[in-house]
Amino acid sequence: EDQVTQSPEALRLQEGESSSLNCSYTVSGLRGLFWYRQDPGKGPEFLFTLYSAGEEKEKERLKATLTKKESFLHITAPKPEDSATYLCAVQGASNTGKLIFGQGTTLQVKP
Amino acid sequence: NAGVTQTPKFQVLKTGQSMTLQCAQDMNHNSMYWYRQDPGMGLRLIYYSASEGTTDKGEVPNGYNVSRLNKREFSLRLESAAPSQTSVYFCASEGQGYEQYFGPGTRLTVT
Repeated sequence: EDQVTQSPEALRLQEGESSSLNCSYTVSGLRGLFWYRQDPGKGPEFLFTLYSAGEEKEKERLKATLTKKESFLHITAPKPEDSATYLCAVQGASNTGKLIFGQGTTLQVKP
Repeated sequence: NAGVTQTPKFQVLKTGQSMTLQCAQDMNHNSMYWYRQDPGMGLRLIYYSASEGTTDKGEVPNGYNVSRLNKREFSLRLESAAPSQTSVYFCASEGQGYEQYFGPGTRLTVT
């Protein structure tokens, strides 16, 4: 059964304090691993797709990496506007079209 | 491009009432999805449509029906609302790289 676990559940950082969010996954035949950002009261916003181990994607202060068992979302020198819930999801070959989501990590960046 | 739009944004129903949630996308995507998001449960797939004219059950389909009206529109119907259906509902459509794009959500309360 495809499964996604995110840690930590919540993370508080000072502005400029870099850190990483973890997404551990179990999937039969990875088609893609996805990172989303969700602000309160809004829908998830697509950030990155990673397709194979070793792949990396960057966007501003965010960098996503992928291994065969987990993905990391590295946040470099975060700003208060980076505060949000970050969701990880996977799509497996046996569940075409279906995303399996983790519970999310809620990030708070204090000025 | 508006992306994925949903109506209504908020709705309050009494137990036993019915309603239809509307979703439309202007990205010419084939696949569309309905999710519900509940605290502590994450995002769970209700129904999906891989193409116009086809629909399939997701993880939590009981109490819901869907209609893929055309390539742009995918509606979700609650025939007899129950308090357990109080949730935030998101519609999504799938891009070429399997990533999904989400609408702003409908916040439903059933009393």
